[in-house]
Amino acid sequence: QKEVEQDPGPLSVPEGAIVSLNCTYSNSAFQYFMWYRQYSRKGPELLMYTYSSGNKEDGRFTAQVDKSSKYISLFIRDSQPSDSATYLCAMRGNDYKLSFGAGTTVTVRA
Amino acid sequence: GAGVSQSPSNKVTEKGKDVELRCDPISGHTALYWYRQSLGQGLEFLIYFQGNSAPDKSGLPSDRFSAERTGGSVSTLTIQRTQQEDSAVYLCASSPIAGDGYTFGSGTRLTVV
Repeated sequence: QKEVEQDPGPLSVPEGAIVSLNCTYSNSAFQYFMWYRQYSRKGPELLMYTYSSGNKEDGRFTAQVDKSSKYISLFIRDSQPSDSATYLCAMRGNDYKLSFGAGTTVTVRA
Repeated sequence: GAGVSQSPSNKVTEKGKDVELRCDPISGHTALYWYRQSLGQGLEFLIYFQGNSAPDKSGLPSDRFSAERTGGSVSTLTIQRTQQEDSAVYLCASSPIAGDGYTFGSGTRLTVV
């Protein structure tokens, strides 16, 4: 079993819809949780960063962490075609190595 | 430069040949990482450099893989006697402190034929 599980999709939604992405993990030492966005043939770029359990909102993006369930989510409101990308969850404990999910490919249809 | 620069962006090599992949991190970033992204897989940690400390090589998949970082800046990842299973995107990242503020390069897409 992988340390971080993420449904690879693909996910296709109409413009303006809410996109819901999630990951589960098994390592209880993870404390720092991230979501990255990766466009085709580009490197991942950091979207959201959260520490421990709770919610964090940044514009149209909301990240949720539930450490008791070992479950994290990313919600994208009012999705735009420019949000079409692969979204990767990542997490770490008290070290420098990130453990990544496999990524979910999202297409927002105009 | 403004970002992490990797070269070449694409590399096609014959099985058994050696390849060198280069990473130029953001100026002032002391931490440098190499990850590998295979099709349908998440990023896999390969190696970590921090300043003048000994690198963490625990993610290198075999002794055919090696990396160095010269002068605390540019890093080179070398794969000897390439195999088809080495085909992947090799991503380099740097950060100002260990573990936080990663900035990734666009990667080198390696194809072994």
